[in-house]
Amino acid sequence: EADIYQTPRYLVIGTGKKITLECSQTMGHDKMYWYQQDPGMELHLIHYSYGVNSTEKGDLSSESTVSRIRTEHFPLTLESARPSHTSQYLCASSDGYSQLFFGSGTQLSVL
Amino acid sequence: GDSVTQMEGPVTLSEEAFLTINCTYTATGYPSLFWYVQYPGEGLQLLLKATKADDKGSNKGFEATYRKETTSFHLEKGSVQVSDSAVYFCALSEGGGGADGLTFGKGTHLIIQP
Repeated sequence: EADIYQTPRYLVIGTGKKITLECSQTMGHDKMYWYQQDPGMELHLIHYSYGVNSTEKGDLSSESTVSRIRTEHFPLTLESARPSHTSQYLCASSDGYSQLFFGSGTQLSVL
Repeated sequence: GDSVTQMEGPVTLSEEAFLTINCTYTATGYPSLFWYVQYPGEGLQLLLKATKADDKGSNKGFEATYRKETTSFHLEKGSVQVSDSAVYFCALSEGGGGADGLTFGKGTHLIIQP
């Protein structure tokens, strides 16, 4: 059973607010990822990490930032949210054999 | 570079119909192939996988065979149910593990009507 958790599930905020999307996993995986999913369902990798203190940008440029201070925790932060940031954000971790385990996602709406 | 092409949706079928979702890929090496499923309001979960040519992955009545000669990994199910309604993603990995080596298709939305 995959144990990867994202909070909140839904978030509606105003423009200019700072937000942090939380992601935690209890599987001890070193590799973690953030995807942005557009309304057409396509997935875009925006950040990934190979372990503590490792963070890399993904294929899609994003104004968000991430940190990896602990193995189990990989939060994503937007310093100043805008309507263009409205999207579904999915966190995932890898067992190192190409299988990804996904959280349930955070649906972000910026007004 | 690597790429995955899958049929565009939505695909709408009646319950108990036969399902095929086409997936073809382009890769430089010998990738592993995957199907992931996303149910409404959820993240993705692995449905099945195949790691070498002619392997067949299967799970929950779904099957897909790794066809190197046609670079395909089509998803099939003999009799679909309403509960199969979801978005299905084909993906490949060139190895080494991790999403930085994982390429997803754009997803196919499947709708099963009772």
